[in-house]
Amino acid sequence: KAGVTQTPRYLIKTRGQQVTLSCSPISGHRSVSWYQQTPGQGLQFLFEYFSETQRNKGNFPGRFSGRQFSNSRSEMNVSTLELGDSALYLCASSREADTQYFGPGTRLTVL
Amino acid sequence: AQSVTQLDSQVPVFEEAPVELRCNYSSSVSVYLFWYVQYPNQGLQLLLKYLSGSTLVESINGFEAEFNKSQTSFHLRKPSVHISDTAEYFCAVSEQSGYALNFGKGTSLLVTP
Repeated sequence: KAGVTQTPRYLIKTRGQQVTLSCSPISGHRSVSWYQQTPGQGLQFLFEYFSETQRNKGNFPGRFSGRQFSNSRSEMNVSTLELGDSALYLCASSREADTQYFGPGTRLTVL
Repeated sequence: AQSVTQLDSQVPVFEEAPVELRCNYSSSVSVYLFWYVQYPNQGLQLLLKYLSGSTLVESINGFEAEFNKSQTSFHLRKPSVHISDTAEYFCAVSEQSGYALNFGKGTSLLVTP
């Protein structure tokens, strides 16, 4: 069974731009979660989607948003990029609440 | 809300020596506990998890962790480490009814010959 895939793997943007990241979950997994990883703040939960509905949201500004499609694929969007948004963005999928499987991440660099 | 504390940011150890990576958590509700490992430039891989039942859980590559409810700890141990165990290890907790993982800051395990 294929794992969680994320595209693109690397992105370079400039301040003020917006970016969209994509995540394809493991087949059969309906829950998709997003996390931000930075050296300073570590791993932080962004939001979680299940059957196209956002069920949980972390403490991030409204510039961070996401959505989930009927095939469970998910996208997250960051608008008006700031330097501090440079991070590894990780997507995870799960069937049940007991285990999340992570993708390789998208490395976003904001210049 | 829950929080996770990994008491050591870095743990240097010689090959074939035993190692313990410490993790403490706080929560007002029942939780699931996890250890994830991250190799350079990669995502997170699940190492082991505690959901319920036996408090000692094991991974396929020789790691084990013990859930101690009274001490709110979930320390990770391996009796003999290999060079290939060099990686970042994250302890995480989630509510049993939820999907959001709260991670510790991570422990960098460096195994040298």
